[in-house]
Amino acid sequence: NAGVTQTPKFQVLKTGQSMTLQCAQDMNHEYMSWYRQDPGMGLRLIHYSVGAGITDQGEVPNGYNVSRSTTEDFPLRLLSAAPSQTSVYFCASSYSGRGNTGELFFGEGSRLTVL
Amino acid sequence: KQEVTQIPAALSVPEGENLVLNCSFTDSAIYNLQWFRQDPGKGLTSLLLIQSSQREQTSGRLNASLDKSSGRSTLYIAASQPGDSATYLCAVGLWAGNMLTFGGGTRLMVKP
Repeated sequence: NAGVTQTPKFQVLKTGQSMTLQCAQDMNHEYMSWYRQDPGMGLRLIHYSVGAGITDQGEVPNGYNVSRSTTEDFPLRLLSAAPSQTSVYFCASSYSGRGNTGELFFGEGSRLTVL
Repeated sequence: KQEVTQIPAALSVPEGENLVLNCSFTDSAIYNLQWFRQDPGKGLTSLLLIQSSQREQTSGRLNASLDKSSGRSTLYIAASQPGDSATYLCAVGLWAGNMLTFGGGTRLMVKP
């Protein structure tokens, strides 16, 4: 099983550029989310989705955009990259059905540097 | 707003020691609490998940406890090994979805 797959693993951008971080899961999970991790800190929630067509903001949504057109994919868009968005980004998914424990499954992360 | 704190931030122990990592949270209305392991440059691996109605969970040499009323969880690692060296993250969930609030982590080094 592939689980949660993130691409690219590494990316360098210039200030003002835009890009999309891709996230795909093959576990038929309804719940998906994006977190960022900065040095010495835990993860912070950017956006989340409870199903196709439904998204909402987390703790640090500014500068990011998401959409959920399919159950499998949940891309994160940086509209105009800023140095403050230099971070490691993690995508996660979880099961939403009966007996859901809330356990999250994470991708390997995407390391983004904005110059 | 939920806040999660992990103490200590870093820990270095000789191989074979039993150790305890601490996690505290400010809002006791949680759905679950999860402990993760993160190796350098890698993603997060789920270690243990404790539902709000549970008191503890065990997996091999790991035991996690939850005291909701006091807002505390501990991760106990028995007979530590160099392979246990990693960062351990505690996270609390408010509901069954993806809204986790993470602590800053404890960086553990187990010396041979």
